[in-house]
Amino acid sequence: DTAVSQTPKYLVTQMGNDKSIKCEQNLGHDTMYWYKQDSKKFLKIMFSYNNKELIINETVPNRFSPKSPDKAHLNLHINSLELGDSAVYFCASSRIRGNYGYTFGSGTRLTVV
Amino acid sequence: AQSVTQPDIHITVSEGASLELRCNYSYGATPYLFWYVQSPGQGLQLLLKYFSGDTLVQGIKGFEAEFKRSQSSFNLRKPSVHWSDAAEYFCAVYSGGGADGLTFGKGTHLIIQP
Repeated sequence: DTAVSQTPKYLVTQMGNDKSIKCEQNLGHDTMYWYKQDSKKFLKIMFSYNNKELIINETVPNRFSPKSPDKAHLNLHINSLELGDSAVYFCASSRIRGNYGYTFGSGTRLTVV
Repeated sequence: AQSVTQPDIHITVSEGASLELRCNYSYGATPYLFWYVQSPGQGLQLLLKYFSGDTLVQGIKGFEAEFKRSQSSFNLRKPSVHWSDAAEYFCAVYSGGGADGLTFGKGTHLIIQP
């Protein structure tokens, strides 16, 4: 069983479209996160959710919105996609706020053309 | 705010040789420190973590890291590398305070020469 699963693995779309990336964890963790990895491999946190409450939101455009229907899911919605949104997006989860380490999904490579 | 510096962007090591990847952090208190590995096209896998106690931490795949408070460092080591160790390695810090989430270094790309 995959602990943190993301779908789709690859996503190619045109500028201006709206897309979603899904994430599910079966670890019973309390907190889930979205990270963006740019072309230089730099990882930056975008969002985290703890018990359905958004507890961090870095300098992310409001075109990005996380949606958590329950503790096991944290989906990422992106509106009006731009070329600069092309990156690999990683979902992760942790037992408590990250100090026990994260479990990462395998990533979604988003390409905006 | 906390930060993590990995001074080496690329490192090339011969198979069977020893390895040390450097990591320096900036944080006022004792941080929680992590090393992750990312193989090509894969997600991140936790190698080891340090919270407190023994400053020499053992991880998976034969890796270890040593926390040195005086040098604000958490270097990753392996006595003998294998070709399968070729990957991107990330050091990360969690402050445990108001700012949540891990702060990652920019990564070190490890190349293994035959």
